[in-house]
Amino acid sequence: NAGVTQTPKFQVLKTGQSMTLQCAQDMNHEYMSWYRQDPGMGLRLIHYSVGAGITDQGEVPNGYNVSRSTTEDFPLRLLSAAPSQTSVYFCTSSYGRSTDTQYFGPGTRLTVL
Amino acid sequence: GQQVMQIPQYQHVQEGEDFTTYCNSSTTLSNIQWYKQRPGGHPVFLIQLVKSGEVKKQKRLTFQFGEAKKNSSLHITATQTTDVGTYFCAGRRDMRFGAGTRLTVKP
Repeated sequence: NAGVTQTPKFQVLKTGQSMTLQCAQDMNHEYMSWYRQDPGMGLRLIHYSVGAGITDQGEVPNGYNVSRSTTEDFPLRLLSAAPSQTSVYFCTSSYGRSTDTQYFGPGTRLTVL
Repeated sequence: GQQVMQIPQYQHVQEGEDFTTYCNSSTTLSNIQWYKQRPGGHPVFLIQLVKSGEVKKQKRLTFQFGEAKKNSSLHITATQTTDVGTYFCAGRRDMRFGAGTRLTVKP
């Protein structure tokens, strides 16, 4: 199993540009989520999904959209990038939501100029 | 939602010294998980605690869950350079992570 994969690993955007961060898992996990990590602030939940066709907002959803058309994929869309979205983004998956290990992808380091 | 506070934010120790990080929640936690993130890497699951007063050990690491299920701790005995990284606790139900404790170890 590849586990959780994320692309790209690095990305530089200009303010106002849009892009999609890709995330895929091959463990048949129902639950997937996106976090952003900023220095001194730990990991903050952006959006999550408990299964295909179901998504919900986390702590910091503004400026981001998600969709879950398949069990395997959970892309994160930045609609109009802002410098405040400069961060490292992690995608996770787990079998369930409340009591299971979260497996993290390798992360995408995004810089918005 | 629950707020998970973690202290200290940083800890620098001499190799061989012990290390402890604490996690405190404003509300009762259904369970708590601990993760380790090596520099430049991604968080990796260490352990989950579920029961009040639970204590689990992994070699030199000891994890405790408070009786009231509002706090938890991770203790490392005789730190090694391989212990370097940031340790996070997470209130699993609400999927919120503490800010983490960054551990550095001087050889």
